[in-house]
Amino acid sequence: EAQVTQNPRYLITVTGKKLTVTCSQNMNHEYMSWYRQDPGLGLRQIYYSMNVEVTDKGDVPEGYKVSRKEKRNFPLILESPSPNQTSLYFCATGQGNTEAFFGQGTRLTVV
Amino acid sequence: SQQGEEDPQALSIQEGENATMNCSYKTSINNLQWYRQNSGRGLVHLILIRSNEREKHSGRLRVTLDTSKKSSSLLITASRAADTASYFCARDNYGQNFVFGPGTRLSVLP
Repeated sequence: EAQVTQNPRYLITVTGKKLTVTCSQNMNHEYMSWYRQDPGLGLRQIYYSMNVEVTDKGDVPEGYKVSRKEKRNFPLILESPSPNQTSLYFCATGQGNTEAFFGQGTRLTVV
Repeated sequence: SQQGEEDPQALSIQEGENATMNCSYKTSINNLQWYRQNSGRGLVHLILIRSNEREKHSGRLRVTLDTSKKSSSLLITASRAADTASYFCARDNYGQNFVFGPGTRLSVLP
């Protein structure tokens, strides 16, 4: 079964405490991406990756890092989270002119 | 930003009526896709229409694409309360780079 798995699903953390949200896919897709979703703003792209070791900034990359050391994983790293990064985060994967597959989302609260 | 716009931002209709949502974009595309999201959950793919296609159907869904106007529309016919959700279009800008708009919130009233 095609799956995109994000962990954790819910996270409450404090300002400045480094955290990582993991994303893993089992479809051997080359393309992976991270989005954040805030009320009234839709999904805004944070970072994307076209293949292993290839990453690019999306529309809102500030405060985030990513890595793509292997095809199946694309973790999102917040080195020093701040309250304005409180949001709902989605990981997505895709391959060559087909649909994107989304994870179930990670609801992050930074206090 | 490469974001386009969905229109309207919110739409309320009665069950049985048709719902039409529009999507405009700014750059050339490889394909355009429509997704549905139920309150805070993951996105579910509905339809993909390629840049050389003008219309596509899937059940009660009909999508049109006008590349000269850089716009697309999603029509849901004979709507049901279960269609209540947010609907997003996503532009695939050749780099498999899905770019989403802010979405349309559809409420179907029983």
